[in-house]
Amino acid sequence: EAEVAQSPRYKITEKSQAVAFWCDPISGHATLYWYRQILGQGPELLVQFQDESVVDDSQLPKDRFSAERLKGVDSTLKIQPAELGDSAMYLCASSLMSGETQYFGPGTRLLVL
Amino acid sequence: AQKITQTQPGMFVQEKEAVTLDCTYDTSDQSYGLFWYKQPSSGEMIFLIYQGSYDEQNATEGRYSLNFQKARKSANLVISASQLGDSAMYFCAMRGNYGGATNKLIFGTGTLLAVQP
Repeated sequence: EAEVAQSPRYKITEKSQAVAFWCDPISGHATLYWYRQILGQGPELLVQFQDESVVDDSQLPKDRFSAERLKGVDSTLKIQPAELGDSAMYLCASSLMSGETQYFGPGTRLLVL
Repeated sequence: AQKITQTQPGMFVQEKEAVTLDCTYDTSDQSYGLFWYKQPSSGEMIFLIYQGSYDEQNATEGRYSLNFQKARKSANLVISASQLGDSAMYFCAMRGNYGGATNKLIFGTGTLLAVQP
């Protein structure tokens, strides 16, 4: 069964360092999402891609976060510099097209010290 | 604004019994979708079931069913014959404005289900 792949699964970094997360969606899925889930809360959307274009990044802290999906397939989410409050689970999801069911990857747990 | 409310922070259920997890929603959209996801301790969000706002029948997927009451704006998840592997966090989510440019999911705060042997 096709799955969304994410790496790394765990990341520990010190504040002010740069971190990057990678996501490979299910093959053929045009829409890719990055969510952040703070402990004890539900996920919140950071950015949504349709193919290689950003369609929603209204909740992305653009002063420190960036996301790209250059060829419309896999995607990278970067944080620079990391802050203590960025400690969270970062989840990637994909759907066949916008509005369809979203399937999630295993997530990356980030701890900023 | 869209909102999902899950009022049960945690629940216990005996193995083999049925359990209902509550979810209410608020939206001004006429067309929307409701989802339930399961999140085990490993962290992955597992899709369980979907209900469209225009679907007249309640959705079912194996042991999962969604009790959709549109007038009351509720979309409760029913798990029949609970198994130990059902112990996890369960999230209700809503997608609004189907067909719009963005279709992000709005999640509730989740319900932690513990299945007891």
